Amino acid sequence: GQQLNQSPQSMFIQEGEDVSMNCTSSSIFNTWLWYKQDPGEGPVLLIALYKAGELTSNGRLTAQFGITRKDSFLNISASIPSDVGIYFCAGQLGTGANNLFFGTGTRLTVIP
Amino acid sequence: EAGVAQSPRYKIIEKRQSVAFWCNPISGHATLYWYQQILGQGPKLLIQFQNNGVVDDSQLPKDRFSAERLKGVDSTLKIQPAKLEDSAVYLCASSRGGLQHEQYFGPGTRLTVT
Repeated sequence: GQQLNQSPQSMFIQEGEDVSMNCTSSSIFNTWLWYKQDPGEGPVLLIALYKAGELTSNGRLTAQFGITRKDSFLNISASIPSDVGIYFCAGQLGTGANNLFFGTGTRLTVIP
Repeated sequence: EAGVAQSPRYKIIEKRQSVAFWCNPISGHATLYWYQQILGQGPKLLIQFQNNGVVDDSQLPKDRFSAERLKGVDSTLKIQPAKLEDSAVYLCASSRGGLQHEQYFGPGTRLTVT
């Protein structure tokens, strides 16, 4: 399967700080998705990106679809304690089967 | 709109026993997915249904795993017999299909095989 590498693997930040994480792949994807997973829950979709270069915001979250279509980043501004969780990127090749591949995850801890 | 429902939430079995998981997708979502998430990793697709047909099951260990979606709505995933390495969270997701590819996940079933 496709390999998506996320960095950093984990982050410890102070409440109020901004956060940036990214996802890279050796393969080209047509769609990038960012999910957040809380303990004991399934991933929750945060942002979906459909076009290279696209920059999309959802509240304090901003994500971009890399121009090369091989990467994406997620920024969280003014972090709050409830931002704690694991953030996964997922790349989608396009229509068809078996085409959503998940990254390794970034574990975010926010210190009040 | 109700989300993806899964049951049970937790299951503990001994190796070589069998187990079944149930999923009810979001109403109107034609596509249903089963993922396996091993601790510390991202979800890995096991099988994808479009209505009641299998689109892809290339990563499903068919010697022990089976899944069905007989009426194109609910789905069940079965493991028989279970192995220790099957311990994981089994996530069900659904999507409308077509050009909108966003997948919405259920809470998962945490399986522990002892």
